[in-house]
Amino acid sequence: GQQVMQIPQYQHVQEGEDFTTYCNSSTTLSNIQWYKQRPGGHPVFLIQLVKSGEVKKQKRLTFQFGEAKKNSSLHITATQTTDVGTYFCAGPLRGNDMRFGAGTRLTVKP
Amino acid sequence: GAVVSQHPSWVICKSGTSVKIECRSLDFQATTMFWYRQFPKQSLMLMATSNEGSKATYEQGVEKDKFLINHASLTLSTLTVTSAHPEDSSFYICSARDPRWGLGYEQYFGPGTRLTVT
Repeated sequence: GQQVMQIPQYQHVQEGEDFTTYCNSSTTLSNIQWYKQRPGGHPVFLIQLVKSGEVKKQKRLTFQFGEAKKNSSLHITATQTTDVGTYFCAGPLRGNDMRFGAGTRLTVKP
Repeated sequence: GAVVSQHPSWVICKSGTSVKIECRSLDFQATTMFWYRQFPKQSLMLMATSNEGSKATYEQGVEKDKFLINHASLTLSTLTVTSAHPEDSSFYICSARDPRWGLGYEQYFGPGTRLTVT
């Protein structure tokens, strides 16, 4: 069945360093969404990418959707302690529900 | 953005008893809600899709007789864990999509319910 794979599983960085998490699907996705879950919290929607090759920015966060619409990445420039959490990508399975990647847990050392 | 609430936020129950978890969309009507389970430090696993006025669609491997889902109104879905066992202890999260934005748009998650079965 369709799977959404995400790497790395963990990433520990020094504050100020950059961070990237990658998401790959076995099939072409109509869209991909990114969520952030703070420790002890629930997932919060960050962004949705729809178009092939799309790049979107939110302050220090840059989201990319691959040309084949099978992969995506989230890049954080100059991480801050407030960026700590788990970042999930999610792609639609049957059009109405989302299948989440395993998530990348980011820790930031001050 | 839209708000989804869940109740209770945490519950402890004895093995063999049943627990009901409520998921409400507070400022929008949700024809579809989703139920996820999340074990510590793991991803969200979709359990079932809850459809208002019809039967839920369960993911493969999820026992529909154990995890009863009822979506009786456009703002309320309930998940009942029947005959709970310690292995059912987990973080249960519901989500809903605001239909005004069509398919494929963001999901709004509830705060989650932490279930501990002793």
